[in-house]
Amino acid sequence: GQNIDQPTEMTATEGAIVQINCTYQTSGFNGLFWYQQHAGEAPTFLSYNVLDGLEEKGRFSSFLSRSKGYSYLLLKELQMKDSASYLCAVRTGGFKTIFGAGTRLFVKA
Amino acid sequence: DSGVTQTPKHLITATGQRVTLRCSPRSGDLSVYWYQQSLDQGLQFLIQYYNGEERAKGNILERFSAQQFPDLHSELNLSSLELGDSALYFCASSSQNTEAFFGQGTRLTVV
Repeated sequence: GQNIDQPTEMTATEGAIVQINCTYQTSGFNGLFWYQQHAGEAPTFLSYNVLDGLEEKGRFSSFLSRSKGYSYLLLKELQMKDSASYLCAVRTGGFKTIFGAGTRLFVKA
Repeated sequence: DSGVTQTPKHLITATGQRVTLRCSPRSGDLSVYWYQQSLDQGLQFLIQYYNGEERAKGNILERFSAQQFPDLHSELNLSSLELGDSALYFCASSSQNTEAFFGQGTRLTVV
């Protein structure tokens, strides 16, 4: 079957760095996405990886290893507003996009 | 504003009823996705359409159906509603190899 795993919850301190991991097993692979979702709101796009390596975008970076079925999202200089759920999603061989259950990040002062 | 429009924003209906949720994708996007998100749960993929044709199906119940019209807007029909169908229903759209942009969702409450 198809499976995406992420930790359920993480807590980090304002100003720190946090890494949210995602592992996946899917039939085919056409890219991995990270989204941020505040409670009750629509997910918003953060990053996209289709080749192995690191993509950096401001305070956010995302890494992909296709051979390991593994990705992580790195958030630097954490701010209180970064408290949200972070969703890992994989676009499969059939161009269906499947989401993980999300990691709820709590940023404390 | 993502450019994806969903109506209505809120819907309250009784068990056993049928409702239709509507989605207008971003201009130029041919793919439309529907997702269900129950309280404190992750996004569950329901179905995807591409240029009017069904492209992929997730764990969509037989009581649910969808379609994409020639003008590319899409409708999700939910029938014989049960209490457990209460959730946020999101529509998203994308171009062939871009990220998906989400609408603000329809919050369905079944009482």
